[in-house]
Amino acid sequence: AQSVTQLDSQVPVFEEAPVELRCNYSSSVSVYLFWYVQYPNQGLQLLLKYLSGSTLVKGINGFEAEFNKSQTSFHLRKPSVHISDTAEYFCAVSGPLAGGTSYGKLTFGQGTILTVHP
Amino acid sequence: EAGVVQSPRYKIIEKKQPVAFWCNPISGHNTLYWYRQNLGQGPELLIRYENEEAVDDSQLPKDRFSAERLKGVDSTLKIQPAELGDSAVYLCASSLGRRGVEETQYFGPGTRLLVL
Repeated sequence: AQSVTQLDSQVPVFEEAPVELRCNYSSSVSVYLFWYVQYPNQGLQLLLKYLSGSTLVKGINGFEAEFNKSQTSFHLRKPSVHISDTAEYFCAVSGPLAGGTSYGKLTFGQGTILTVHP
Repeated sequence: EAGVVQSPRYKIIEKKQPVAFWCNPISGHNTLYWYRQNLGQGPELLIRYENEEAVDDSQLPKDRFSAERLKGVDSTLKIQPAELGDSAVYLCASSLGRRGVEETQYFGPGTRLLVL
């Protein structure tokens, strides 16, 4: 079984400042890692994902995340945030399904609300 | 390309009443997921379909919840009878459905349920 911990429930930041949203996971097997964003009253939108290869993953809207296997972390970063980045961000892991034939069961963290102030 | 469509977007009912949610996945997506998102929490998987077969329903409270995907396309999630604790956002997602390959799940806007 896997689990995800998002270390900050709320992160306030000023516009154009850098931001880091922290995510740690635990799993006994290899996992895939994701960040989703949820704007008010909308569904989840994929920001980026790590499957394999380079540990630095670039996503949409200028976000990037770094996979650190030794620290079991997948922190999300953006060098300069905009007002429009105000939303809730979810980190998720995908592990093998029963029988180990495919990956598809997403386990989400509890979310981090990012509020960008002018 | 149309995304995942869900209806209704909002529903308010009294406890003990039945309620149903509908989802139409992205065209060509064989795998469909229903999630429940409680306030202040991340989504939790209720059931996953591969075509019309429910392949993972271990988290579905089967005493009051049921789901179907009769023709392997759209799906309905039902609660009967609803309880106060069922108030949540019910999210539907879909993916292509290729065995052995990680797949990106695409989410609909959700149905926000309030049980009074």
